[in-house]
Amino acid sequence: GDSVTQMEGPVTLSEEAFLTINCTYTATGYPSLFWYVQYPGEGLQLLLKATKADDKGSNKGFEATYRKETTSFHLEKGSVQVSDSAVYFCALSDPTGGTSYGKLTFGQGTILTVHP
Amino acid sequence: DGGITQSPKYLFRKEGQNVTLSCEQNLNHDAMYWYRQDPGQGLRLIYYSQIVNDFQKGDIAEGYSVSREKKESFPLTVTSAQKNPTAFYLCASSIFPPGTEAFFGQGTRLTVV
Repeated sequence: GDSVTQMEGPVTLSEEAFLTINCTYTATGYPSLFWYVQYPGEGLQLLLKATKADDKGSNKGFEATYRKETTSFHLEKGSVQVSDSAVYFCALSDPTGGTSYGKLTFGQGTILTVHP
Repeated sequence: DGGITQSPKYLFRKEGQNVTLSCEQNLNHDAMYWYRQDPGQGLRLIYYSQIVNDFQKGDIAEGYSVSREKKESFPLTVTSAQKNPTAFYLCASSIFPPGTEAFFGQGTRLTVV
């Protein structure tokens, strides 16, 4: 079935460092890909999304490019801030069919801590 | 304001008791979902519903039950058959099929005492 694999964490960085969180997926159809962010004690918020190959999603300085050839959707930010400390989830949903039709499939989440 | 509301935020249950978590949305979304979150395990799908009066089991449905009598509401009951119910529960909704984003509630933290 469809699945999402994220790099193992936690990730600890200093402020203004470059961030990459790797995400790869397995899907039988043509999924849409998402990054969600969760701050402590809260629900998830959509950070960015891409619905087809080569699309780049971007928001709040974060970017991710839908790479069909490598089945990847890595999250990047050029300069992280303390306020970026959160848990980041990669997810997919396949509106065309497959085991993720009608639902979101999540990776295991990556905890990011940014120190001043 | 449109959104999705979960209640209560914190819930304590004695062993052997059933407990119901509330989830309400006013986004006019057809699809609603329940996820369970445990440390280091990400989000696991319990149940989901694509339309009123219909729902499907997710990956970890055992010990849980749901109903979808109204489009706006998707309550989750954690039964005594759920052996390890202590967790953070998240409800979400989206258009169907969810090729676009899902909106999440703030979550309910359930603790068995």
